[in-house]
Amino acid sequence: DSGVTQTPKHLITATGQRVTLRCSPRSGDLSVYWYQQSLDQGLQFLIQYYNGEERAKGNILERFSAQQFPDLHSELNLSSLELGDSALYFCASSEGLAGGKWFFGPGTRLTVL
Amino acid sequence: GEDVEQSLFLSVREGDSSVINCTYTDSSSTYLYWYKQEPGAGLQLLTYIFSNMDMKQDQRLTVLLNKKDKHLSLRIADTQTGDSAIYFCAERKNSGNTPLVFGKGTRLSVIA
Repeated sequence: DSGVTQTPKHLITATGQRVTLRCSPRSGDLSVYWYQQSLDQGLQFLIQYYNGEERAKGNILERFSAQQFPDLHSELNLSSLELGDSALYFCASSEGLAGGKWFFGPGTRLTVL
Repeated sequence: GEDVEQSLFLSVREGDSSVINCTYTDSSSTYLYWYKQEPGAGLQLLTYIFSNMDMKQDQRLTVLLNKKDKHLSLRIADTQTGDSAIYFCAERKNSGNTPLVFGKGTRLSVIA
């Protein structure tokens, strides 16, 4: 158990819908990262938050947004869903900004029908 | 190249050593990582190495780093069937606040 929790574990929805994925980092970790894992693209970095502020952005679509709350949990919002958004979405956390140990959650499997 | 590269498949016999190789992109990368992903599961941090080290050993795992060639390897001694999984190499570049960049993963199959 990495100490990073993600809910829900599975999500099935239809095209055009909006979903919210939730992540709680390990106790004491201030950074939260979101990644998308698909068969063709591998693991792609989406966005990072550190202590409530956005710190880095990757290949995140405009239809996707995220935030980190004062209690440090984070939510990833995916809207106007398309079939191609079906993937595993992982959250990771680390203590600071400068590397070291990164721990990943179990992931949320999103299926868009 | 632009990407972190790994061979896609590796098959070994139970009890043998496995060596999974990776080439990374940035000679100034500060941290290099190995993660394990079992079917339907998340990414488990196996080990990581800071770029000023050449080698790191942790029980059955040995990581070797060749900075000149930008080559990282993970050796698993006495490979067991429970080691069957996908192994991901990742680098963290030394340029500001950067995320981990992952390879596509090597699927290790252990034959009993």
